[in-house]
Amino acid sequence: EVQLVESGGGLVQPGGSLRLSCAVSGFTFSNYWMQWVRQAPGKGLVWVSRMNSDGSNTGYADSVKGRFTTSRDNARSVLYLQMNTLRVEDTAVYYCAREGYGPIDYWGQGTLVTVSS
Amino acid sequence: DIQMTQSPSTLSASVGDRVTITCRASQSISSWLAWYQQKPGKAPKLLIYTASNLEVGVPSRFSGSGSGTEFTLTISSLQPDDFATYYCQQYHSYPFIFGPGTKVDIK
Repeated sequence: EVQLVESGGGLVQPGGSLRLSCAVSGFTFSNYWMQWVRQAPGKGLVWVSRMNSDGSNTGYADSVKGRFTTSRDNARSVLYLQMNTLRVEDTAVYYCAREGYGPIDYWGQGTLVTVSS
Repeated sequence: DIQMTQSPSTLSASVGDRVTITCRASQSISSWLAWYQQKPGKAPKLLIYTASNLEVGVPSRFSGSGSGTEFTLTISSLQPDDFATYYCQQYHSYPFIFGPGTKVDIK
């Protein structure tokens, strides 16, 4: 069974940092591109980033470029999202997602990040 | 960046109704479009990929069509489990923008 489990969310002050993790199981992690998507409370889905299967290529939304960094550890089957210089508007549920044959075919349950003083 | 719009933003319908949601891209994305369903407090679920291909396990009452800049998601006969919010997403080029969503609620 494919599973993606995010962790690392919580309350952080504006300007602070947080690292999210996504532990996966049930598939060969090193074969898949992965994405992060976020959703502010009561709002729509927002694409954050995408990383290729070996970690050599990433893409980011303009709103997080230069502040967020996606990485992965294929030996441990874990995807990361390092978030720096956090802003109030980064408050959201962050979803880790597996990219199948183009679209996202599996999603984690999400982890809530709250940026507030 | 490619911008995505959806219409309507909210749709009130009854069980058994035929429902159509439209998604438009600001430039051609060929057929690189997916549709997702999301229920409150849950992660989204993939329904349609490459504009018209039904994901395994998704009921056949869901269908997708279109290419280029205009796409539609159709539910042929709305069921109680289908009341949810629907999002389109382009995966033609970065950033992989989602549409703003269409909420389907009970009339």
